[in-house]
Amino acid sequence: QKEVEQDPGPLSVPEGAIVSLNCTYSNSAFQYFMWYRQYSRKGPELLMYTYSSGNKEDGRFTAQVDKSSKYISLFIRDSQPSDSATYLCAMSAGFDAGGTSYGKLTFGQGTILTVHP
Amino acid sequence: EADIYQTPRYLVIGTGKKITLECSQTMGHDKMYWYQQDPGMELHLIHYSYGVNSTEKGDLSSESTVSRIRTEHFPLTLESARPSHTSQYLCASSDPRDPRAYEQYFGPGTRLTVT
Repeated sequence: QKEVEQDPGPLSVPEGAIVSLNCTYSNSAFQYFMWYRQYSRKGPELLMYTYSSGNKEDGRFTAQVDKSSKYISLFIRDSQPSDSATYLCAMSAGFDAGGTSYGKLTFGQGTILTVHP
Repeated sequence: EADIYQTPRYLVIGTGKKITLECSQTMGHDKMYWYQQDPGMELHLIHYSYGVNSTEKGDLSSESTVSRIRTEHFPLTLESARPSHTSQYLCASSDPRDPRAYEQYFGPGTRLTVT
C-alpha cells in the first residue's frame, strides 16, 4: 500500500468553479503537509504549506489537514484557466537537523486539473 | 523563481550509451535531490545529498550514480542507458538552515528517452 494516495483525475471544471483536491495517507508520523503545483514541462513549485492539523488560506487557495482522519485537502475558489496544472500533495515527518527523514518528502501521484473558459 | 538549472531539457539516446544529467543551483543550498517522475505516478526520490562529498540513495532503487564535489553542482550519471531508464528526472534543492527548510526548489526537469 502506498504511503500517500491521491486521485490522479483528470479533473476538468469550468472557470469560476470551486475545486477540491484530496490526499489520504497512512504514516502517522507525517507532520508537514504541502501542495505543489506543476505546470506542463516545468518542475513543481510550492503552493501551500501546513504544519500539523488545521486550515490555511492564501488568496483563492485553502489547505486543510485532518490528522485524525489522515486526510488533507486543497480548495481552489473561483478557479481560473491559469490554475490548469498538476497538483501534487507532499508530506514529511520532519525537517529537524539529523535523522533519516530529514528533508525527505513523500509525494502523491498528482491530480491533473484543467479549468476551461 | 528558483535558481536551479537542468541540462539537457530533452535527451534521446541509444541503448548502452553513457549519459550525465546536469543540475546546478545558485542559491547556496546544502541539500540537493534527484527524483524520477513517470506520467501519472508520484515523484520517487532516487538520490540525495546533505552537502559536499555526501551522497545517499533514495527510496527508489536506481542504477544511476551521483556526485557532489561542489555545493552548487549535483550531476547524475547512467553508465549504460537502457529503455527502462526512460523517464523524467527532476533535480531539487533546499536550505536546512532556512525557516522554510521544508521547501524544495525544483529545476525544470530532463526528459530522457532511451531507444
